[in-house]
Amino acid sequence: DQQVKQNSPSLSVQEGRISILNCDYTNSMFDYFLWYKKYPAEGPTFLISISSIKDKNEDGRFTVFLNKSAKHLSLHIVPSQPGDSAVYFCAASAGGGTASKLTFGTGTRLQVTL
Amino acid sequence: DAGITQSPRYKITETGRQVTLMCHQTWSHSYMFWYRQDLGHGLRLIYYSAAADITDKGEVPDGYVVSRSKTENFPLTLESATRSQTSVYFCASSKTGWNGYTFGSGTRLTVV
Repeated sequence: DQQVKQNSPSLSVQEGRISILNCDYTNSMFDYFLWYKKYPAEGPTFLISISSIKDKNEDGRFTVFLNKSAKHLSLHIVPSQPGDSAVYFCAASAGGGTASKLTFGTGTRLQVTL
Repeated sequence: DAGITQSPRYKITETGRQVTLMCHQTWSHSYMFWYRQDLGHGLRLIYYSAAADITDKGEVPDGYVVSRSKTENFPLTLESATRSQTSVYFCASSKTGWNGYTFGSGTRLTVV
């Protein structure tokens, strides 16, 4: 049973436009959410996170939105750059922000075209 | 060098053989994790450890064994490799109080 779902396996966006990556979860106990970015032949790297007490967190070009009632979060990248082309994983935990198991989605491959 | 390192980067082994994947971190992070990445499944947790000598199963532990005698090392052993264990394996570590893992570069394992 996939508790964290990324229903779009791939997304293509033009450089300079907004990229929106979506993630849905089913476990009501999840209270901390993260996005990771992964380039080929490298490990995932942490991008941005959000606690369930917030509905938005922003870091430069990256913003994560959380809709708890819909059990949905999204990552917005504005403006998109070619270097953003990677696989993005959504992850969730029930640890209250402390180190604990993360449950990952299946990933969305973002391609930013010129 | 500081960080988290995995070895080997690539490994080909035969069905039925025992193989050990190594993971070493230099931060003295309490938590360490092993994930496997497969197409259509994303990253799935195999085993994790909250401290030396404390380990617990994740989502897909069958066929794997872990140990953690020292804080900095967390080896993953496939006792009798099967083709279904062909995957990319990632080790990660995290300090207490922070949910953001740092991942190693991965080991691509092929079981033939």
